[in-house]
Amino acid sequence: QVQLQQWGAGLLKPSETLSLSCAVYGGSFSGYSWNWIRQTPGKGLEWIGEINHSGSTNHNPSLKSRVTISVDTSKNQFSLKLNSVTAADTAVYYCARLFTGGEFRNSLGYWGQGTLVTVSS
Amino acid sequence: DIVMTQTQLSSPVTLGQPASISCRSSQSLVHSDGNTYLSWLQQRPGQPPRLLIYKISNRFSGVPDRFSGSGAGTDFTLKISRVEAEDVGVYYCMQATQFPLTFGGGTKVEIK
Repeated sequence: QVQLQQWGAGLLKPSETLSLSCAVYGGSFSGYSWNWIRQTPGKGLEWIGEINHSGSTNHNPSLKSRVTISVDTSKNQFSLKLNSVTAADTAVYYCARLFTGGEFRNSLGYWGQGTLVTVSS
Repeated sequence: DIVMTQTQLSSPVTLGQPASISCRSSQSLVHSDGNTYLSWLQQRPGQPPRLLIYKISNRFSGVPDRFSGSGAGTDFTLKISRVEAEDVGVYYCMQATQFPLTFGGGTKVEIK
């Protein structure tokens, strides 16, 4: 059974850097892309970006200049950094696994439990 | 970006009755490989989203057969044949045909 377990700081001040990590248990780490998505009451679900096991990334252009996604295959973990946060970055952040091939290609089959990140002075 | 638009149900649903949720994309979701990467996700209160349907009409592992998906091109539908209490939540369509991945605004299913 695949499980994604995420963690990171939940309260930030404006201009600080958001940092979240996600550990993957069960299943292979290669053959998928590892995604970050956030959810706000106002904007709904917003895809942030993805990374595969070899470190290739894609980002949402709306956030690209502030986002860094990295992977540590030795630990089956991947991470998100979002710099210069503002109140608009307050959201629940999810990690998720995207199938990149086979029958389930391009579907987000497994999600982490979510981390509420609040940006406030 | 591809914009995904969902409408709201007109009213809460009676247990055992059907529900139909619509999703429209701002451009065709047919990928160059011939597939249409339209998924449906369910989000129960306090839970992360969960994959229900992938590639328009295929149920993911463990999804009850009362859920079905249909559509083509830019218009898609999720149907629940007989709504159960555990189906309460928000349903999202999502496209993964083109980066960035985008989601609909969600459709809330409530029980009457």
